[in-house]
Amino acid sequence: AQSVTQLGSHVSVSEGALVLLRCNYSSSVPPYLFWYVQYPNQGLQLLLKYTSAATLVKGINGFEAEFKKSETSFHLTKPSAHMSDAAEYFCAVSRGGTSYGKLTFGQGTILTVHP
Amino acid sequence: DAGVIQSPRHEVTEMGQEVTLRCKPISGHDYLFWYRQTMMRGLELLIYFNNNVPIDDSGMPEDRFSAKMPNASFSTLKIQPSEPRDSAVYFCASSRQGWETQYFGPGTRLLVL
Repeated sequence: AQSVTQLGSHVSVSEGALVLLRCNYSSSVPPYLFWYVQYPNQGLQLLLKYTSAATLVKGINGFEAEFKKSETSFHLTKPSAHMSDAAEYFCAVSRGGTSYGKLTFGQGTILTVHP
Repeated sequence: DAGVIQSPRHEVTEMGQEVTLRCKPISGHDYLFWYRQTMMRGLELLIYFNNNVPIDDSGMPEDRFSAKMPNASFSTLKIQPSEPRDSAVYFCASSRQGWETQYFGPGTRLLVL
């Protein structure tokens, strides 16, 4: 079975500061990993995904994430936070293959950006 | 494209009533997913379809929940009878293939009194 743990339900940063959102996964097979963002009263939007190609994945809005198998981690980063980044972020894992679409989500991390 | 369309956006009902949530996936997408989001349990996959056929319904909470996809452009999630613990935001998502990006609808916020 797959599972995801997001460390920190709330993260607060200043505008222009580094954003680091942590995600650790558990999977019995090589995982596919995803980061989604949810703005208030909206559905989820894909930021980026890892599908066993390059371990450093670049996504939209300046976000990137690095797959580290030895640490079972897939942390999300952005060098400089913008006010518009304030949202809830979800890490998700899929076992791939025929179950690729079956995503297991973490509990989410709410990012607050201060002026 | 209009994206994934869900209706209604908000639903308030009384315990014991039947609730029907509706979803129109993006045209050309063969996969459709139903999720439920609550504070306690987070975001859970309830069921997903491929080419209108249910593939995995292991996330459906109990027999009170049922989902159908009569054609490629329409799906319903029905709760009968509804209970207060069913209060949640229900999302529908679709993707072109199982391994491709899932596009989420805006959700239906359900409150069962």
